[in-house]
Amino acid sequence: GEDVEQSLFLSVREGDSSVINCTYTDSSSTYLYWYKQEPGAGLQLLTYIFSNMDMKQDQRLTVLLNKKDKHLSLRIADTQTGDSAIYFCAETNSGTYKYIFGTGTRLKVLA
Amino acid sequence: GAVVSQHPSWVICKSGTSVKIECRSLDFQATTMFWYRQFPKQSLMLMATSNEGSKATYEQGVEKDKFLINHASLTLSTLTVTSAHPEDSSFYICSARAGSGGLAGNTIYFGEGSWLTVV
Repeated sequence: GEDVEQSLFLSVREGDSSVINCTYTDSSSTYLYWYKQEPGAGLQLLTYIFSNMDMKQDQRLTVLLNKKDKHLSLRIADTQTGDSAIYFCAETNSGTYKYIFGTGTRLKVLA
Repeated sequence: GAVVSQHPSWVICKSGTSVKIECRSLDFQATTMFWYRQFPKQSLMLMATSNEGSKATYEQGVEKDKFLINHASLTLSTLTVTSAHPEDSSFYICSARAGSGGLAGNTIYFGEGSWLTVV
């Protein structure tokens, strides 16, 4: 079945850039998403990218997609302590609308 | 923007009892709703997909008699955990698919989640 993998932890210093990586196996993915989850809270959609795009930028967030390698990354510029959370990548295709989530990456921002 | 609301946000129930969690789409009609479960420090696992007016489709390994899902209207789906046990304690999140429009015609909106603790 489909699988989405992420590294479990990332620690950065405040003001540095963070890069969170994600790999997936489903070649029929249509959309790929990044969600943020703060402790005890639900999911907040950060950004998404359509599978025919290579890059998308939204303020401090930059998403890069390498469809050939099935690799997705999220770069957060000027990381702040408020960015500390778990980040999930997810993929879906237009056929099922089911989201397959990655394992989540815990980002810790050090002051 | 579109909002999906879950209720209750927190619930504690006694072992052996049943508990119902509601998922509502507040400003759009949701043809399809999804229920996920998240164990502590783990990812979200899809439990079932429900389409309005039809039976839910459960993922492999999910007991349909234990996790009853009803999607009686285009704005409401409910998850009932029957005869709950401590191992059912988890964070349950629903999502709803807008029938059309949204970010790219394929937009899913997530609820805030519901914490269930079975004692």
